[in-house]
Amino acid sequence: GDSVTQMEGPVTLSEEAFLTINCTYTATGYPSLFWYVQYPGEGLQLLLKATKADDKGSNKGFEATYRKETTSFHLEKGSVQVSDSAVYFCALSDRKNRDDKIIFGKGTRLHILP
Amino acid sequence: GAGVSQSPRYKVAKRGQDVALRCDPISGHVSLFWYQQALGQGPEFLTYFQNEAQLDKSGLPSDRFFAERPEGSVSTLKIQRTQQEDSAVYLCASSLSRAEAFFGQGTRLTVV
Repeated sequence: GDSVTQMEGPVTLSEEAFLTINCTYTATGYPSLFWYVQYPGEGLQLLLKATKADDKGSNKGFEATYRKETTSFHLEKGSVQVSDSAVYFCALSDRKNRDDKIIFGKGTRLHILP
Repeated sequence: GAGVSQSPRYKVAKRGQDVALRCDPISGHVSLFWYQQALGQGPEFLTYFQNEAQLDKSGLPSDRFFAERPEGSVSTLKIQRTQQEDSAVYLCASSLSRAEAFFGQGTRLTVV
């Protein structure tokens, strides 16, 4: 079945460092890909998305490019801030399904040190 | 309301007790999802509604879990005879069909 694999955390970086969180997926159809973020004490929020191959999603300085050839959707940010500390989830929704269910990875906890 | 609302936020249940968790989706959202999130894990899909129809319940872990959305708006997830392994955060999400899903803050269930 469809699945998402992302790098295990926690990831600890200093402020202004470059961030990459790896994500790969398995899907038999044509999935849309997402990154969700969960800040401490808050609910899941959509950070960015891409709906087809070579699309780039971006938001709040974060970017991810839908790479069909490598089945990847790695999250990147050029200069992280303390406020980016959160848990990040890579996810997919496979449009071949009759519902829109989202399949999540296990999450990567990110700690940014001042 | 402005977002997806879940109640209660926290629930402590004795093993064997029945619980009911409520979700108020964003008004007008057709799709509604329930997820279970164990500590340190990603959300796991439980069930999906399109309006009042439960189209997918493949993620419900046992027949002790039951969900309903009788009028196509508010949904209730019921767990009968709770067990310790049911302890988790239960998340509800809603969306317009094939659009961004908005999540509630979840109900943290602890079974003692």
